Amino acid sequence: DVKVTQSSRYLVKRTGEKVFLECVQDMDHENMFWYRQDPGLGLRLIYFSYDVKMKEKGDIPEGYSVSREKKERFSLILESASTNQTSMYLCASSSPGLAGLSSYNEQFFGPGTRLTVL
Amino acid sequence: AQSVTQPDIHITVSEGASLELRCNYSYGATPYLFWYVQSPGQGLQLLLKYFSGDTLVQGIKGFEAEFKRSQSSFNLRKPSVHWSDAAEYFCAVAPTSGTYKYIFGTGTRLKVLA
Repeated sequence: DVKVTQSSRYLVKRTGEKVFLECVQDMDHENMFWYRQDPGLGLRLIYFSYDVKMKEKGDIPEGYSVSREKKERFSLILESASTNQTSMYLCASSSPGLAGLSSYNEQFFGPGTRLTVL
Repeated sequence: AQSVTQPDIHITVSEGASLELRCNYSYGATPYLFWYVQSPGQGLQLLLKYFSGDTLVQGIKGFEAEFKRSQSSFNLRKPSVHWSDAAEYFCAVAPTSGTYKYIFGTGTRLKVLA
C-alpha cells in the first residue's frame, strides 16, 4: 500500500523558533509537494520538488524553505515561525509516469501536521 | 487565469438522500480532473479522476462524477448518502503536460443528518 508519512500530527512552537516538518514517501515518486490548508482557502502550494535537490516555489513560499537531499524525503522549514503560520500542513507525492496513463500525475497525501505557533 | 470554483462552501443533506457537489474550472485546455475527500483530521484521499474517454467516471465509496466540457464542470454525485460521507470535498485540476502542479478548489464541507 502506498504511503506518505509526516513526522508529527500536532506541533506547538513559539514565535521565532525554527521549525522542521518532515515528509517521507515510500513509492519512489519523483515529485513531492508541501501545501498549507486554511479554512475557506483550500490548499495552497508552498513549494514543490521534481527531483532530488531540485525545488520550485509555489504560490505562497514567503517565510518557508525546503530541502530534498534524498528522493524519499522532503522537508519544510520555517526559518522563524510566526503566528500567521499556524495552519495545517499537508505533504503529497506523485510520479509523472507516462502521460495518458491512469496513474499519471495522481497525488498521494500524508495525514497532515497541525502546527500552532504561539 | 487558471482557477477552480466550488460554489458551495457548506452542504447539508439527510442520510439516504442524493448528493451533488459542484465544481467549475477555468483552464486553457481540458485538464486532468480530480475529486478528493478529507475526513476530519485526515489527509486527502482520491475519490476519482478523469483523464480522457468516458465522461462519466466511477470512483470509490459509490461516488461518480461527470465531465461536461461545454460547461467546464466536473460535478460529483452520489445517489444515496451515508453518515460516514460527512467530510470536506475538494475538486482539483492538473495540466496534461509540463508541471505537476494541481489547482485546488476551496472545498465543500458536507454535513449528513441522521
